[in-house]
Amino acid sequence: SQELEQSPQSLIVQEGKNLTINCTSSKTLYGLYWYKQKYGEGLIFLMMLQKGGEEKSHEKITAKLDEKKQQSSLHITASQPSHAGIYLCGADWANTGNQFYFGTGTSLTVIP
Amino acid sequence: DSGVTQTPKHLITATGQRVTLRCSPRSGDLSVYWYQQSLDQGLQFLIQYYNGEERAKGNILERFSAQQFPDLHSELNLSSLELGDSALYFCASSVGLAAYYEQYFGPGTRLTVT
Repeated sequence: SQELEQSPQSLIVQEGKNLTINCTSSKTLYGLYWYKQKYGEGLIFLMMLQKGGEEKSHEKITAKLDEKKQQSSLHITASQPSHAGIYLCGADWANTGNQFYFGTGTSLTVIP
Repeated sequence: DSGVTQTPKHLITATGQRVTLRCSPRSGDLSVYWYQQSLDQGLQFLIQYYNGEERAKGNILERFSAQQFPDLHSELNLSSLELGDSALYFCASSVGLAAYYEQYFGPGTRLTVT
């Protein structure tokens, strides 16, 4: 959905480098979700953020939610080849019932 | 392994035909979502069922329909297929109705319309 924009569209980093992916919503968020997809496979849930200022970590991946900006950032520390894949943010928007929307995706390549 | 199964894995069919994609949710999950993923449109929400009832509708074409059966498995029917329907179709399941429940995705069905 273009109402859920991710940047950058693609990222190529050297192993060991840190990186950040952003997700910006044009609508008020009830919840913001991060998923990872390996090419051609199903999505794997990473984490969910619901409150402004909330920050969660899973191994070397940290996500934060800036409620005022309706934006979330996903930060990977000391990237590894296993981090490669497509990262998608998903949104649960206010007043849209149970509909669920995904962002445009960020393709991450980690060079060993 | 997410516990969600989808069949078939691949499907090749001709324009104008009708196909049925099947999804079995994780044990205990009542909610099933269907998504379409294509290069130009990204991952699009199609429809959600919860305990046999349709609960949310997204960008689903009129040529597409879905249902969830009493045993909670779900089927997505695609008819009058067009070349543009070629895509990866995912189903996902979650334990609850609301969107904030974690969704577990199946491996997908790759549909090619020739």
